[in-house]
Amino acid sequence: DAGITQSPRHKVTETGTPVTLRCHQTENHRYMYWYRQDPGHGLRLIHYSYGVKDTDKGEVSDGYSVSRSKTEDFLLTLESATSSQTSVYFCAISESGGANVLTFGAGSRLTVL
Amino acid sequence: ILNVEQSPQSLHVQEGDSTNFTCSFPSSNFYALHWYRWETAKSPEALFVMTLNGDEKKKGRISATLNTKEGYSYLYIKGSQPEDSATYLCAFKSNFGNEKLTFGTGTRLTIIP
Repeated sequence: DAGITQSPRHKVTETGTPVTLRCHQTENHRYMYWYRQDPGHGLRLIHYSYGVKDTDKGEVSDGYSVSRSKTEDFLLTLESATSSQTSVYFCAISESGGANVLTFGAGSRLTVL
Repeated sequence: ILNVEQSPQSLHVQEGDSTNFTCSFPSSNFYALHWYRWETAKSPEALFVMTLNGDEKKKGRISATLNTKEGYSYLYIKGSQPEDSATYLCAFKSNFGNEKLTFGTGTRLTIIP
């Protein structure tokens, strides 16, 4: 996972608590993505960013917010975690969007009890 | 929501045999088609990005073809080896003017020694 790190890698939390996942890159790539992975669904896009302070929703954005205040960091926040948000979350980066490969982080496993 | 389908869902192949599987995507508004290899407990790794109808890409024993007019791509593995065991994902990007990449649910390949 050279150039992209996710933190925390594992987290257990309770329903109703806020959670923030961090994605940090050292590649200076413009595009950053948050996906969640669930059995039977593959990877589903939550939000993505196409520059500092520029973000857009994906197909499963309800209950999630994001922020990108600098190129290297993309934060995913669950304002009030629910059990349905138990999942593995992957961050990905791309130099120039969908015509270029995505490089994925190692994933963050979140369990909401 | 764009429909990206992969078949079969899973596949068992004898070591040394060749195999192939399919990714189907919308035939209109095509921009790019990605293939990723995803080993258990790791992150997805990019294999190919294809953008032109008729594109053929090759990486070692793995190759891919693209038919944008009919909306499908094939991934071929020649002479399967145990290390080819993984889930293979395709992802579709439209030309709608955003950078969303929609993934299929994958084909899980198991190589039998």
